[in-house]
Amino acid sequence: QLQLQESGPGLVKPSETLSLTCTVSGGSITNNNYYWGWIRQPPGKGLDWIASIYYSGIIYYNPSLKSRVTISVDPSKNQFSLKLTSVTAADTAVYYCARHFGDSSAWQRFDMWGQGTMVTVSP
Amino acid sequence: DIVMTQSPDSLAVSLGERATINCKSSQSVLNSSNNKNSIAWYQQKPGQPPKVFIYWASTRESGVPDRFSGSGSGTDFTLTISGLQAEDVAVYYCQQYQSTPFTFGPGTKVDIK
Repeated sequence: QLQLQESGPGLVKPSETLSLTCTVSGGSITNNNYYWGWIRQPPGKGLDWIASIYYSGIIYYNPSLKSRVTISVDPSKNQFSLKLTSVTAADTAVYYCARHFGDSSAWQRFDMWGQGTMVTVSP
Repeated sequence: DIVMTQSPDSLAVSLGERATINCKSSQSVLNSSNNKNSIAWYQQKPGQPPKVFIYWASTRESGVPDRFSGSGSGTDFTLTISGLQAEDVAVYYCQQYQSTPFTFGPGTKVDIK
């Protein structure tokens, strides 16, 4: 049974960098045609896709965050990671990692999600 | 970006009655390679991650009760819960995966009347 688990600090100071890791277990992150993504949800609000990565390093970013976001993958550890720089209170959210199938000609739904990790930006 | 809107923001339905949620995309989400609409519906309960219920606008995810159905094409889509059960109380989101950036609707909260 595939599982995804987010990890990282729950509190980040304004202007600093938020760093999160998603560990995939019960399956390989190098499975063909699966992308691995990050989605966030501010308290009481909706869902925002941040970025997705393929194990080979193909990356798609949300343009709204692209200047501050870096997504990376470590197939040897079956992990992928997110870095968000220059955070403000607006970046306070539950951050989810998730899996989706496809490519730029035919994407698919996010079919597996981690439980999410709450990150608060506060002095 | 494809903007997703949903209506209503919330609704309360009696147990056993029908709940209907609408979702509209700002442009077509028809995938020309398979002639399917790239729309998914997710259910989210408090403290839990979203769970996909419907994809390709009308395909039910494995294990999802058949009282949940999706329909629509082009830019207008609907999620129908036929015979609301207590465990269906949740927020429901539509999402387009036709193109990046993937975008979600604002959500519809479903409650028991």
